[in-house]
Amino acid sequence: QQQVKQSPQSLIVQKGGISIINCAYENTAFDYFPWYQQFPGKGPALLIAIRPDVSEKKEGRFTISFNKSAKQFSLHIMDSQPGDSATYFCAARGYGGSQGNLIFGKGTKLSVKP
Amino acid sequence: GAGVSQSPSNKVTEKGKDVELRCDPISGHTALYWYRQRLGQGLEFLIYFQGNSAPDKSGLPSDRFSAERTGESVSTLTIQRTQQEDSAVYLCASSQYLSQGTGYTFGSGTRLTVV
Repeated sequence: QQQVKQSPQSLIVQKGGISIINCAYENTAFDYFPWYQQFPGKGPALLIAIRPDVSEKKEGRFTISFNKSAKQFSLHIMDSQPGDSATYFCAARGYGGSQGNLIFGKGTKLSVKP
Repeated sequence: GAGVSQSPSNKVTEKGKDVELRCDPISGHTALYWYRQRLGQGLEFLIYFQGNSAPDKSGLPSDRFSAERTGESVSTLTIQRTQQEDSAVYLCASSQYLSQGTGYTFGSGTRLTVV
């Protein structure tokens, strides 16, 4: 069974601090690694994504770091704000064909304290 | 439409009843996915549709679950003889191409409560 393991389960950060969420995967056939952000009562929304041919991708305050050899990737939120408080999911997708569905981690509930 | 629309937003049903959940994907999106999210848990893949190809039903937890999609439009997820463990938020997502690594667009989900 393909798995994506996400940690921590919950995270509390002070405003202005750095939030770090980690994910590890087992299947080397994964070729696309997105992060989703979910607010209560809403569906997850794509935040940022990376492919394994790069080691880092940055969009504003959000950065994905990718370590292909270790089969790990992480989300860094710089200058965390109370509005970032949400649940974050990492995911991975297999190569094309019938492996198009995303495999999600169990999520990290982030709380940013003012 | 502008986004993925799901209905109803909330559904309370008695154990043993059948329920139908509806998803309207973004126009032009050929791929459609159903996921289940139990309280405090991650997203559990159920089924996906790609154009006119046979759907991948590998995530359906039992034969009480089924889904249909008409062409590249509306999809219906049906749960027969509902059980309390079926209580969850059922999320639908669509994307433009199955094999491209583009992100999904999720709907807001249907919160199903079986009493």
